[in-house]
Amino acid sequence: GQNIDQPTEMTATEGAIVQINCTYQTSGFNGLFWYQQHAGEAPTFLSYNVLDGLEEKGRFSSFLSRSKGYSYLLLKELQMKDSASYLCAVRDPSDDYKLSFGAGTTVTVRA
Amino acid sequence: GAGVSQSPRYKVAKRGQDVALRCDPISGHVSLFWYQQALGQGPEFLTYFQNEAQLDKSGLPSDRFFAERPEGSVSTLKIQRTQQEDSAVYLCASSPGLAGVNEQFFGPGTRLTVL
Repeated sequence: GQNIDQPTEMTATEGAIVQINCTYQTSGFNGLFWYQQHAGEAPTFLSYNVLDGLEEKGRFSSFLSRSKGYSYLLLKELQMKDSASYLCAVRDPSDDYKLSFGAGTTVTVRA
Repeated sequence: GAGVSQSPRYKVAKRGQDVALRCDPISGHVSLFWYQQALGQGPEFLTYFQNEAQLDKSGLPSDRFFAERPEGSVSTLKIQRTQQEDSAVYLCASSPGLAGVNEQFFGPGTRLTVL
């Protein structure tokens, strides 16, 4: 099975930077996703990493280190609308349609 | 919009009642998933369809849970004799091709409360 850990909550100030860490322990590795979920809404796709390194997409960047079983999502120039839960998910190495999610990190952006 | 839609958005059931939750995936999407999301947790995989074929139902918690996608588009998740532990948000997601390649697009979910 998959064991995925991420912090429960983080608070940051508007305009600042926040880094959300995700560690995973899996029998293999087949890709890692980050999703954003506003309260009561659908999770929406942010990023996908399968190779080591940093993927930058506007204000959001995602990093992966497969050897360390570690990823982070970096949110820059925080805006109030970035207040949401951020979900880390790993793809099952055997059944690659299956995603295992962490519990999510609730980010609160304060003015 | 052209996203994944689910109905009803909210459902309250008395313990022991049967419920049916509907998912309308994005038109043309081959793959369809159901997830269960408990409060404060991430989504947990329930089942996976490729067109009308249910290829994986390993995440269904018990034989009270049943899912179908008879024509390869709309899907229904049915829960028989609901129990309080079934209270959760049920998310549907779809993907344009074989799901191992593509991201999944989620619907807003159905919040089920069993009294």
